[in-house]
Amino acid sequence: GQQLNQSPQSMFIQEGEDVSMNCTSSSIFNTWLWYKQDPGEGPVLLIALYKAGELTSNGRLTAQFGITRKDSFLNISASIPSDVGIYFCAGQRAGNTPLVFGKGTRLSVIA
Amino acid sequence: DGGITQSPKYLFRKEGQNVTLSCEQNLNHDAMYWYRQDPGQGLRLIYYSQIVNDFQKGDIAEGYSVSREKKESFPLTVTSAQKNPTAFYLCASSYSHRNTEAFFGQGTRLTVV
Repeated sequence: GQQLNQSPQSMFIQEGEDVSMNCTSSSIFNTWLWYKQDPGEGPVLLIALYKAGELTSNGRLTAQFGITRKDSFLNISASIPSDVGIYFCAGQRAGNTPLVFGKGTRLSVIA
Repeated sequence: DGGITQSPKYLFRKEGQNVTLSCEQNLNHDAMYWYRQDPGQGLRLIYYSQIVNDFQKGDIAEGYSVSREKKESFPLTVTSAQKNPTAFYLCASSYSHRNTEAFFGQGTRLTVV
């Protein structure tokens, strides 16, 4: 099955730095979602995007639905230690198809 | 509290045995999903159900079976035909198959020895 191309695979950053990650596909998606997973837990929904070009914030997190509908971006500003985890993008193509997930970006924050 | 409950959190089984993982939700969601997570692989869809008494195969359904007899329950059976069953299993639900905001349970880590 199709998966999304998510990058980078992992990041090591200093506390206080900003973070960017992205997700791309060769297909058009109607919905983009971003999740965060803590070790040994289920993913938690952070942001949902429904329109091309849409820019949505949730606290220090900002995500954008790419204008081509084939990509999405997540930015985290002023990172803190509790931002550590795996971030997943997910998308839905047209119709009733279930979500497709990227392989995740593992974020480590150095205090 | 509304949510999705997976049980147990950890499960150990001997090779060749079938095992059933529980998933219950009290969110009144129509759609439910089972994903498998392996290190570095992301989430891969095993089965999904858009409504009671109906379910569809996902990308990696071989060696698994499901049932959806009640709206709130979507158990997954890992059969002996699954060649590499050790993994982290995640159950999710969404309001409907058109509403894609899926909410996840806490997962079950299955180890087959």
